[in-house]
Amino acid sequence: GIQVEQSPPDLILQEGANSTLRCNFSDSVNNLQWFHQNPWGQLINLFYIPSGTKQNGRLSATTVATERYSLLYISSSQTTDSGVYFCAVKANDYKLSFGAGTTVTVRA
Amino acid sequence: DAEITQSPRHKITETGRQVTLACHQTWNHNNMFWYRQDLGHGLRLIHYSYGVQDTNKGEVSDGYSVSRSNTEDLPLTLESAASSQTSVYFCASSDLPGVTEAFFGQGTRLTVV
Repeated sequence: GIQVEQSPPDLILQEGANSTLRCNFSDSVNNLQWFHQNPWGQLINLFYIPSGTKQNGRLSATTVATERYSLLYISSSQTTDSGVYFCAVKANDYKLSFGAGTTVTVRA
Repeated sequence: DAEITQSPRHKITETGRQVTLACHQTWNHNNMFWYRQDLGHGLRLIHYSYGVQDTNKGEVSDGYSVSRSNTEDLPLTLESAASSQTSVYFCASSDLPGVTEAFFGQGTRLTVV
């Protein structure tokens, strides 16, 4: 099956800092999503981004499908950004395969 | 608003008992999925369904079963609960043709003692 690698595994930020999370995948995909799992365990949809660039407030994401990677940018981080960020991809079937996640801790 | 809901949110059961976790979605999505989340393993696919009467095994299906009698529901059954099945379980749904966004329920924390 398709392999999904996320880096870094852990990230500690001071409030107000910017950061970039990376997702590499091993094969062509027709769907890529970024999720935020908050401290209460909920999986929140951030972006559906099989290609191109999208922005939502302080978050933005870019997927370069031909080079098999996606980036999630967090700008002016806040403590509420803490949690685990997952990248998930779909190949030719309908199943999402998840990366191991990046744990982000934002300190006040 | 359309949504996907799981019940119960928390459950404690004994080894050997049969347990059923419910998943109900009002998106009218054809695709439904069950995942489990464990430390060190991320989210792993248990079973999935592409429509009514269709069910398929995922990567960690042993000890689990699902049935799809209507579009809205995909219950997950643990036939004989084991301590190794202590986990957080997530249900998800997405629309055909499968290149659209998937949405997740709130999760069910299951403890097998």
